[in-house]
Amino acid sequence: GAVVSQHPSRVICKSGTSVKIECRSLDFQATTMFWYRQFPKQSLMLMATSNEGSKATYEQGVEKDKFLINHASLTLSTLTVTSAHPEDSSFYICSAKDRGGYGYTFGSGTRLTVV
Amino acid sequence: KQEVTQIPAALSVPEGENLVLNCSFTDSAIYNLQWFRQDPGKGLTSLLLIQSSQREQTSGRLNASLDKSSGRSTLYIAASQPGDSATYLCAVTPGNNLFFGTGTRLTVIP
Repeated sequence: GAVVSQHPSRVICKSGTSVKIECRSLDFQATTMFWYRQFPKQSLMLMATSNEGSKATYEQGVEKDKFLINHASLTLSTLTVTSAHPEDSSFYICSAKDRGGYGYTFGSGTRLTVV
Repeated sequence: KQEVTQIPAALSVPEGENLVLNCSFTDSAIYNLQWFRQDPGKGLTSLLLIQSSQREQTSGRLNASLDKSSGRSTLYIAASQPGDSATYLCAVTPGNNLFFGTGTRLTVIP
């Protein structure tokens, strides 16, 4: 079945630095990828939708200059958290929709801790 | 705006018991509904996908039903096992996005 690989699984960074999270579709082409954020014991909150070759669409309240999304190829989308602050600490998960599929496949998530 | 609710929020059952998780959504204009499992600190694993034209899907001990007109879905787990302990999320898609429920945290007691 469809596999989405997300790296890193855990990252600790200092305040003010930037962190890049990668999301790759391994065995299919993903024209659309989604980035979610999840707070402890809560459900997933959609941050943005990225389409290959075009700008990402951000949900209301999500700062596009802080959370940079790039979807330069059909198999790779990246989320860069710029000038990270402790309140950005969270669990980030990506997902991809297969070009011909009906369902969504999720990455394994990235636990970001900003100290 | 689509709202997805799951009841109960948490459930504890003894091993071997059959159980039902509920999911309701406010807008019946959906393309499909998907059930996921999430283990603590992990990503989501897809369990079952029901397209809007279907009424149910089965995989092993899992059976999911969909009643689009009433905005409801159920996930039935037969003969529960401790390994089934996890958070179960349902999500609906009206098009090119997923709306998630609040999740049900299941604990199966050995």
